[in-house]
Amino acid sequence: AQSVTQLGSHVSVSEGALVLLRCNYSSSVPPYLFWYVQYPNQGLQLLLKYTTGATLVKGINGFEAEFKKSETSFHLTKPSAHMSDAAEYFCAVTIAGGTSYGKLTFGQGTILTVHP
Amino acid sequence: ETGVTQSPTHLIKTRGQQVTLRCSSQSGHNTVSWYQQALGQGPQFIFQYYREEENGRGNFPPRFSGLQFPNYSSELNVNALELDDSALYLCASSSPGQNYEQYFGPGTRLTVT
Repeated sequence: AQSVTQLGSHVSVSEGALVLLRCNYSSSVPPYLFWYVQYPNQGLQLLLKYTTGATLVKGINGFEAEFKKSETSFHLTKPSAHMSDAAEYFCAVTIAGGTSYGKLTFGQGTILTVHP
Repeated sequence: ETGVTQSPTHLIKTRGQQVTLRCSSQSGHNTVSWYQQALGQGPQFIFQYYREEENGRGNFPPRFSGLQFPNYSSELNVNALELDDSALYLCASSSPGQNYEQYFGPGTRLTVT
């Protein structure tokens, strides 16, 4: 079975500062990893994904994440925070085959607050 | 291209009642997954439907059931509602051969009193 741990349920940054949201995963087989964003009272929007290939993936709204197998991590970063980035962010994992294929396992979420 | 849509937006039910939630998948997508998101938590996988058959189920009791129709839309049915069923129910669709890449609808907020 797969699992995801998001370190820090709340992260607060100033506008223009670096955003770093941490995600560690557990999987016995190569994972597929995702970051989703959720604005209040809305569904989830896919920010970026890692399946195979390049370990640094770029997503929408200036976000990127790096898959580090040795550290079992997939941290989300953005060089300069914008007020509109304030939302809740979820890291998720699935695998490429087997009975868990297509079943996303989510972390508990990290609420990002951006101060002016 | 039409995204994933869900209805209704909000719903209030009484404990013991039954509820049906509906989802229309994104154009070109043939797989639908349902998730339950309790307040302050990450979404939890309920089940997935592919070609009108259940294709994987999470740790939810049998009173959670579903259907998928020939046009790939889907329903989630919950019988004998309990207070703990209060949550945001999210539907996600994915395209053939890429059911790991899921696109979510806005959700249905269910409140059980």
